[in-house]
Amino acid sequence: RKEVEQDPGPFNVPEGATVAFNCTYSNSASQSFFWYRQDCRKEPKLLMSVYSSGNEDGRFTAQLNRASQYISLLIRDSKLSDSATYLCVVRILTGGGNKLTFGTGTQLKVEL
Amino acid sequence: ETGVTQSPTHLIKTRGQQVTLRCSSQSGHNTVSWYQQALGQGPQFIFQYYREEENGRGNFPPRFSGLQFPNYSSELNVNALELDDSALYLCASSGGDRGYGYTFGSGTRLTVV
Repeated sequence: RKEVEQDPGPFNVPEGATVAFNCTYSNSASQSFFWYRQDCRKEPKLLMSVYSSGNEDGRFTAQLNRASQYISLLIRDSKLSDSATYLCVVRILTGGGNKLTFGTGTQLKVEL
Repeated sequence: ETGVTQSPTHLIKTRGQQVTLRCSSQSGHNTVSWYQQALGQGPQFIFQYYREEENGRGNFPPRFSGLQFPNYSSELNVNALELDDSALYLCASSGGDRGYGYTFGSGTRLTVV
């Protein structure tokens, strides 16, 4: 079983639609949680951190459920520029250091 | 404030050869980690360096090795290249041994033929 699982998509949605991505993680020792965005052939960039209390950044809302080890991302009023791959990421402590564990990513295509 | 820079941006190598990839960390960051991203996959953790010492390693064979220098820049070395090593190699720098606030470089795209 993968440590972080996501539906790979693609999700094809019309401009203005609301779209939700889900993610589950298996390591209960996971410390921090993030959504990253990755454009084609570019590096991942932090979209937002995810907290149990839920957090919102403009059109983006993220939620963490530690009990069910589940992370979500909601995008409202989607724009053409939101087309990208969205990576669910957890940070796990590893002895003296830590690592980020990525899901395979969910591809979003926003269409006219 | 400079970001994370990686070199080269693209590289083609032959199976069996050795390669060295380089990364300059963001100003103020003392931790560097390396990730391998194969096509259609998420990045996979290779290892992390903090103050010139490796302090975490993923499930990669010993032919993947690294260094961190006193200025916190880093190298990733891969010996005996295999076709499956073809991937985007990403470097991320962060502050502190627990690695808060990761910044990724734009990556080195390695093709092994």
